[in-house]
Amino acid sequence: GESVGLHLPTLSVQEGDNSIINCAYSNSASDYFIWYKQESGKGPQFIIDIRSNMDKRQGQRVTVLLNKTVKHLSLQIAATQPGDSAVYFCAENIGNTGKLIFGQGTTLQVKP
Amino acid sequence: NAGVTQTPKFRVLKTGQSMTLLCAQDMNHEYMYWYRQDPGMGLRLIHYSVGEGTTAKGEVPDGYNVSRLKKQNFLLGLESAAPSQTSVYFCASSSFFAGELFFGEGSRLTVL
Repeated sequence: GESVGLHLPTLSVQEGDNSIINCAYSNSASDYFIWYKQESGKGPQFIIDIRSNMDKRQGQRVTVLLNKTVKHLSLQIAATQPGDSAVYFCAENIGNTGKLIFGQGTTLQVKP
Repeated sequence: NAGVTQTPKFRVLKTGQSMTLLCAQDMNHEYMYWYRQDPGMGLRLIHYSVGEGTTAKGEVPDGYNVSRLKKQNFLLGLESAAPSQTSVYFCASSSFFAGELFFGEGSRLTVL
């Protein structure tokens, strides 16, 4: 069935270290993936996206990697800051269905 | 820039009562969505709209109705609230179908 999952519910990192948040998906028809950040009490915010014809995309301090062979997506945050503390969701757009399926989320805790 | 605005932000209902959540967006987006978010789960799509006057069911549509009479507004109605509908509801809009979503701040609903 369809599922988007994150490997760890909580990730704790030291300020200044790099963070890697993982996501596994099961639908090979998924053609577009998005990472969202949700701070406490707020709605999710777009971070970065990637299409299935790419395997890497970089933004400001963030990089998304897509491995279609093993259906794996990751978000890398460089030099993690306290302001990065939030819940991170991956989401996949499954082809022509137009459905955006969200994973359960990983809570990133940044230790000073 | 207001973006996506949801009202009300908080509401407590008794079982069987009805209510409407209002979502307004000022980005001229064609597509609008209602999601619910429950603890330990990702966002689940309730209903969506691909344009003024159109609505469609998402993953968990039962117990909800929607209307999109104006392009900028998307209303979510609960005709007879149940405790299982206690959740945080998020409205979102996008310029293309299931692409980058812009979310509101959420509406926290408690059904007693």
